[in-house]
Amino acid sequence: LAKTTQPISMDSYEGQEVNITCSHNNIATNDYITWYQQFPSQGPRFIIQGYKTKVTNEVASLFIPADRKSSTLSLPRVSLSDTAVYYCLVASDQTGANNLFFGTGTRLTVIP
Amino acid sequence: GAGVSQSPRYKVAKRGRDVALRCDSISGHVTLYWYRQTLGQGSEVLTYSQSDAQRDKSGRPSGRFSAERPERSVSTLKIQRTEQGDSAVYLCASSRDRGYEQYFGPGTRLTVT
Repeated sequence: LAKTTQPISMDSYEGQEVNITCSHNNIATNDYITWYQQFPSQGPRFIIQGYKTKVTNEVASLFIPADRKSSTLSLPRVSLSDTAVYYCLVASDQTGANNLFFGTGTRLTVIP
Repeated sequence: GAGVSQSPRYKVAKRGRDVALRCDSISGHVTLYWYRQTLGQGSEVLTYSQSDAQRDKSGRPSGRFSAERPERSVSTLKIQRTEQGDSAVYLCASSRDRGYEQYFGPGTRLTVT
């Protein structure tokens, strides 16, 4: 079971870069790392997914070291609308339902 | 087409009653998940299915939870004999296949009184 650990909360000022790290020491060879964002009264929304090294899309970057035991979601120049809960999920197409679990995530608060 | 939708958005049920929650997933998606999200405890998968073959994990947390998938893009989560501890947000998600990114609905907030 690739359990994940994230900081419970983070605060940041507008315009700053925010890095949220997720630890997953027991990640399996076939597992991918996926990050989701959730606003109140909404379901989680996909942000980015990666397997190793670095992945970048229009909203975020994902850094994964060689041992893959952690990953860092990087949000460039955050705005107030980035205030949300961020979850990392480690899973593969072989992951059983019993091992699909979103933790409590990291609550990011962006301050004006 | 549109994203994942769920109905109702809010449901109040008396303890001991059965409830049914509906999910309309994205057309073409093979895998459909039902999660239960509770404040401060994260989200756990209750059940998931691949295409029309239901892989029911109703053993979590007990046999009171089951899901039906009468059509590929429609699923109904049924909770029998609701308990107060069942009060939570129930999220439905679908994906192209297992391991791919999941698309979530807005959730149904169930309150058991």
